[in-house]
Amino acid sequence: AQRVTQPEKLLSVFKGAPVELKCNYSYSGSPELFWYVQYSRQRLQLLLRHISRESIKGFTADLNKGETSFHLKKPFAQEEDSAMYYCALKIRLNQFYFGTGTSLTVIP
Amino acid sequence: DSGVTQTPKHLITATGQRVTLRCSPRSGDLSVYWYQQSLDQGLQFLIQYYNGEERAKGNILERFSAQQFPDLHSELNLSSLELGDSALYFCASSWVGSLINEQFFGPGTRLTVL
Repeated sequence: AQRVTQPEKLLSVFKGAPVELKCNYSYSGSPELFWYVQYSRQRLQLLLRHISRESIKGFTADLNKGETSFHLKKPFAQEEDSAMYYCALKIRLNQFYFGTGTSLTVIP
Repeated sequence: DSGVTQTPKHLITATGQRVTLRCSPRSGDLSVYWYQQSLDQGLQFLIQYYNGEERAKGNILERFSAQQFPDLHSELNLSSLELGDSALYFCASSWVGSLINEQFFGPGTRLTVL
């Protein structure tokens, strides 16, 4: 069963506009959630994790256990944010599940 | 380069064949993960090794196997290859002692089965 859902395959926003990349998960236990990003011609890399409650490059993500969501948000999108974004769920025994990814394009 | 390395970069083979993909983790990382990314699919977790031992198993087919050697590099063996096995195979490593479980990814091996 798919455990991580990213409903938007493609997302385009204008520079300076707010952006939200959606992620929903299904897991009955205590989840650990991450956002990974892959910029053009670069490797997949960690952007942020819910346990740290941090803001990286202006992005934040809040774990909503009631809605089983971990949406990634940024108030003002920049051109350099254009990339592929993956939501990932870690469950017991270090099993990881990634979503299918959202390709974000920020239009100048 | 002290990052995760994967060889080969590209691999083209025929159905029914067997291939081996290699991964060298970051210096100091004890854990290695393997993922498969097919067209229009997310990263499918295959298997994890920690310090030479299998730690977690995902959607790995019986035709696939992996191991981690004493020097911590890992190999993913794919046998009786089918057209549907064509995909990008990623390796990632982490120092499992870290609470954040951050994985560092390699560049991937693109496998094409003809």
